[in-house]
Amino acid sequence: GQNIDQPTEMTATEGAIVQINCTYQTSGFNGLFWYQQHAGEAPTFLSYNVLDGLEEKGRFSSFLSRSKGYSYLLLKELQMKDSASYLCAVLDSNYQLIWGAGTKLIIKP
Amino acid sequence: GAGVSQSPSNKVTEKGKDVELRCDPISGHTALYWYRQSLGQGLEFLIYFQGNSAPDKSGLPSDRFSAERTGGSVSTLTIQRTQQEDSAVYLCASSLEPGGPYEQYFGPGTRLTVT
Repeated sequence: GQNIDQPTEMTATEGAIVQINCTYQTSGFNGLFWYQQHAGEAPTFLSYNVLDGLEEKGRFSSFLSRSKGYSYLLLKELQMKDSASYLCAVLDSNYQLIWGAGTKLIIKP
Repeated sequence: GAGVSQSPSNKVTEKGKDVELRCDPISGHTALYWYRQSLGQGLEFLIYFQGNSAPDKSGLPSDRFSAERTGGSVSTLTIQRTQQEDSAVYLCASSLEPGGPYEQYFGPGTRLTVT
C-alpha cells in the first residue's frame, strides 16, 4: 500500500527553527510537495522537490532524499503566523497525489 | 486573475437528500481535483479530471458519489441520498496540467453538514 507518515503535532517557540519530517512509501515517485493550511482555510503551495537535495525559499527550505523515502520542511525565524498544519504529498507513478495527514505546528511566544 | 471558486460555501442538508457542489477552476487549467477533508484530518482524494474526462475515479467512496466536468471548466460533485458520514469540507483544486511540477491551487471549500 501507499503510506505517508508525518508527526501529528509539533510545538516550537517564536524566533526558533523547526524541522517537520515526512517519510513515504509509494508506488513510484514523481515529486514531493509541501503545503501549508491555516485552520479553516484551504491549503496553499509551499514547495516542490523531485531531485535529491535542499531547496531554499526565504525562511522555508525543503529537503529530499529519494533513496531514503524521506523529506523535511525547515522553517527558520518562526513567526506566530506560521502556526498552521503542514501537509506532505507525494506524486506517485500514476501522477496521483498521495497526501499525508498533516503536522499541526503550534508556535508559542 | 481569479482563483478557484466553490459554491455554496456552506450547505446543511437532511439525511437522504441529494446535494450538488460546484467548482470553478482557474481559467486554462486542464486538471481539476476533488478532495474531502474531515475535521482535523488529512485530505482524502475523491476524483480528478483531465479536461472533461476522469481517468481516476478510484477515490469515490460509494456509488452515491458522482462528478462531471463540462467544457473543460466547471465541475459538479453530486452526492445522492446523503448520510451523516458525508459531513466534511469538500475541496476543489486545479492545476495547469496533472502531476508535477504543477502545483494545485485550492478553492475555499464547501462545508457540508448532514443532519
